[in-house]
Amino acid sequence: GAVVSQHPSRVICKSGTSVKIECRSLDFQATTMFWYRQFPKQSLMLMATSNEGSKATYEQGVEKDKFLINHASLTLSTLTVTSAHPEDSSFYICSAGGTGGENEQFFGPGTRLTVL
Amino acid sequence: GEDVEQSLFLSVREGDSSVINCTYTDSSSTYLYWYKQEPGAGLQLLTYIFSNMDMKQDQRLTVLLNKKDKHLSLRIADTQTGDSAIYFCAESKNAGNMLTFGGGTRLMVKP
Repeated sequence: GAVVSQHPSRVICKSGTSVKIECRSLDFQATTMFWYRQFPKQSLMLMATSNEGSKATYEQGVEKDKFLINHASLTLSTLTVTSAHPEDSSFYICSAGGTGGENEQFFGPGTRLTVL
Repeated sequence: GEDVEQSLFLSVREGDSSVINCTYTDSSSTYLYWYKQEPGAGLQLLTYIFSNMDMKQDQRLTVLLNKKDKHLSLRIADTQTGDSAIYFCAESKNAGNMLTFGGGTRLMVKP
């Protein structure tokens, strides 16, 4: 199957700093990527849909000025958590839509963000 | 909006069968998925079923779909300790592949 990578896999930062997370589709082109957030012992919640070459579509309750998404190429989307606070500590997972008919998404391995 | 629900926890003995259940509310769901998440890891797609099917089998995994009742189940035969993980069901329509996840079922397999 297709491979999606994320970098970094784990990041610890101080409150007030900004953190950038990269999501790459390694062997296919993804016009659409998705960003999910997972709090401990909870399910994944969709944060935003990232479209190559256009603005991201954010889910209700997700602050677009706090979670900046850039999808500059068909293989790379970035999520920047600006002025991070401890409540932003979470597991962030990206996915990219498959090109096959089965409507499959391919998930990255996730990024564990801890804000001190 | 869409709603996908799962029971929180399931405990089985090694060698037994596990059945994880999921209900959803959106009748326009086209694809239904089962994902596995091990501690600290991302999601692994186990299997999926298209809405016009009622059963799919893949080695130890059997997916049953009751579209009338909007009920999906995942049966794991001969459950092993390595199957211990959180299992998420998810649904999508053909809307850019966006997924709606259930809350996850934690499967514990006892030796």
